[in-house]
Amino acid sequence: DGGITQSPKYLFRKEGQNVTLSCEQNLNHDAMYWYRQDPGQGLRLIYYSQIVNDFQKGDIAEGYSVSREKKESFPLTVTSAQKNPTAFYLCASSPGPWVNEQFFGPGTRLTVL
Amino acid sequence: KNQVEQSPQSLIILEGKNCTLQCNYTVSPFSNLRWYKQDTGRGPVSLTIMTFSENTKSNGRYTATLDADTKQSSLHITASQLSDSASYICVVSGYGGSQGNLIFGKGTKLSVKP
Repeated sequence: DGGITQSPKYLFRKEGQNVTLSCEQNLNHDAMYWYRQDPGQGLRLIYYSQIVNDFQKGDIAEGYSVSREKKESFPLTVTSAQKNPTAFYLCASSPGPWVNEQFFGPGTRLTVL
Repeated sequence: KNQVEQSPQSLIILEGKNCTLQCNYTVSPFSNLRWYKQDTGRGPVSLTIMTFSENTKSNGRYTATLDADTKQSSLHITASQLSDSASYICVVSGYGGSQGNLIFGKGTKLSVKP
């Protein structure tokens, strides 16, 4: 099956810990994105990557880090510097730049205990 | 300022009824407009994507309209089913800017009751 997967579905973290969210796609898409979704708000862009070994900060990058060593993978690390990390995290990919349609993964719900 | 406004914020309808969701935007220059369906706790799934020249586009019981002059779009759901209960997100893509000017609406939460 072609698609985009995220793991884990649920993640619990203690304050002060870093955690890494996985995002993998087998759609052969060049671009990948990370969004954060909070209740009552639109999706907000954390980081994006238009090509392997390159990525750019989005609107709310503080406290997050990413890597893009492989075309298929775009992991997101939520660091202890992120003050309010509890949220629903969505990964997406698209064939090319922004005007292309994005395909979303199933999401990871992160809860800080 | 580029914005996407959706209305209503939430909507409750009875199974079998029709409904229309609205999306107004100020994104310029305009590239395309997308409607996504998001079930609770799941990722958004694309329903339609419309470019400047398209006025109407259908996907089963979902029909999207676009008026690029007034910068308005609507999503019409015909003969609603319980499985239509979800949030519907309008997304507008514009040209220019390092982030492609992709603006997300906050969504309309639809509840279909039996």
